[in-house]
Amino acid sequence: NSKVIQTPRYLVKGQGQKAKMRCIPEKGHPVVFWYQQNKNNEFKFLINFQNQEVLQQIDMTEKRFSAECPSNSPCSLEIQSSEAGDSALYLCASSPTGEQYFGPGTRLTVL
Amino acid sequence: GDSVTQTEGLVTLTEGLPVMLNCTYQTIYSNPFLFWYVHYLNESPRLLLKSSTDNKRTEHQGFHATLHKSSSSFHLQKSSAQLSDSALYYCALSMNTGGADRLTFGKGTQLIIQP
Repeated sequence: NSKVIQTPRYLVKGQGQKAKMRCIPEKGHPVVFWYQQNKNNEFKFLINFQNQEVLQQIDMTEKRFSAECPSNSPCSLEIQSSEAGDSALYLCASSPTGEQYFGPGTRLTVL
Repeated sequence: GDSVTQTEGLVTLTEGLPVMLNCTYQTIYSNPFLFWYVHYLNESPRLLLKSSTDNKRTEHQGFHATLHKSSSSFHLQKSSAQLSDSALYYCALSMNTGGADRLTFGKGTQLIIQP
């Protein structure tokens, strides 16, 4: 069973508001991933980190999304100005050197 | 870029019948890693199977799949469906299983098992 912790489980924001979610990866897992699962249940990779450094990320041209994974603190994903289209399940996963283990997700609803 | 295709969005079966969920992929990498994840409602997606070895059957919890590089396929099978198998199933691809590469997911197949 996965030990990835995500908070909060549910997040409701108005359009234009900031939305921040957190992830604590499994102990000993150096790589952390963020995915977005949309209303059609499709997964979209957002960003990943290894030991606090960004490895890969999509082209967040709108610059509304930011993420970080500081040492000794939870990883976080923040949307600076939420839009209705951001409503989705945001999943965090961590990996030792193999498969990825997912948390339960943060379900964001933007009204 | 990489892509994964799951042709069935919804599969409805009667308990006890065999299950086969299709997965094909496209990638430029000669040694991709393929995964099946199962996602139950309100739970974390969970790894079901993984493989990177051509033509070798991998099994777990009654499910099995064989990676066929010649046809770029990694179909999920089970001989007899159970009610508890009802869930979303995702096929996914990674460049390596070193842990650092992103997963490219298919669109998922909703499996519903009826009594």
